[in-house]
Amino acid sequence: NAGVTQTPKFRILKIGQSMTLQCTQDMNHNYMYWYRQDPGMGLKLIYYSVGAGITDKGEVPNGYNVSRSTTEDFPLRLELAAPSQTSVYFCASSYYQGSSGYTFGSGTRLTVV
Amino acid sequence: GENVEQHPSTLSVQEGDSAVIKCTYSDSASNYFPWYKQELGKGPQLIIDIRSNVGEKKDQRIAVTLNKTAKHFSLHITETQPEDSAVYFCAARAVGGSQGNLIFGKGTKLSVKP
Repeated sequence: NAGVTQTPKFRILKIGQSMTLQCTQDMNHNYMYWYRQDPGMGLKLIYYSVGAGITDKGEVPNGYNVSRSTTEDFPLRLELAAPSQTSVYFCASSYYQGSSGYTFGSGTRLTVV
Repeated sequence: GENVEQHPSTLSVQEGDSAVIKCTYSDSASNYFPWYKQELGKGPQLIIDIRSNVGEKKDQRIAVTLNKTAKHFSLHITETQPEDSAVYFCAARAVGGSQGNLIFGKGTKLSVKP
């Protein structure tokens, strides 16, 4: 049972480039989330999904897009990368929305230069 | 919407001592409060949680207490060990905004000195 798998683990982007952060879970969880973690700032919710085909904005969605075509996958797309998007990105999933433990992936460290 | 404040931001203790991390929340309707431990280079991992109908919960050396009236909850770690060194996050379930998702505190970096 792999849990939540994120790829890549590290990436350096140039300003204006785009990329997709991949997230896959094998626990048949309906709920999935993308967070970014900046030093001393905790975890901020970017986007979340309550099931295949349904996504919604979190606290800091600007500059990002998501899709949820299957229960397992929840990719995060960065268009026109900016230095402000330098962060560590975590994908998570849960069985219930916010009332059970989240399972987090190991993160993607992104640097935009 | 929900807001979670966490204190202290850093905490250093001697091995064997106790450590206490405190969080306050703003939404009185919040009903679920988990704690996560994040080791260096890893994602956060759930270590204990408490629901609003319970005042205290223990799991070996860790315990969580909840005071709904004061809207605060705390993590207690007894007999600390070097492997307890990590960043700890509290969270609360937002009932109003964000469709019931977890809102996280900013984290506490705990260092346990041998």
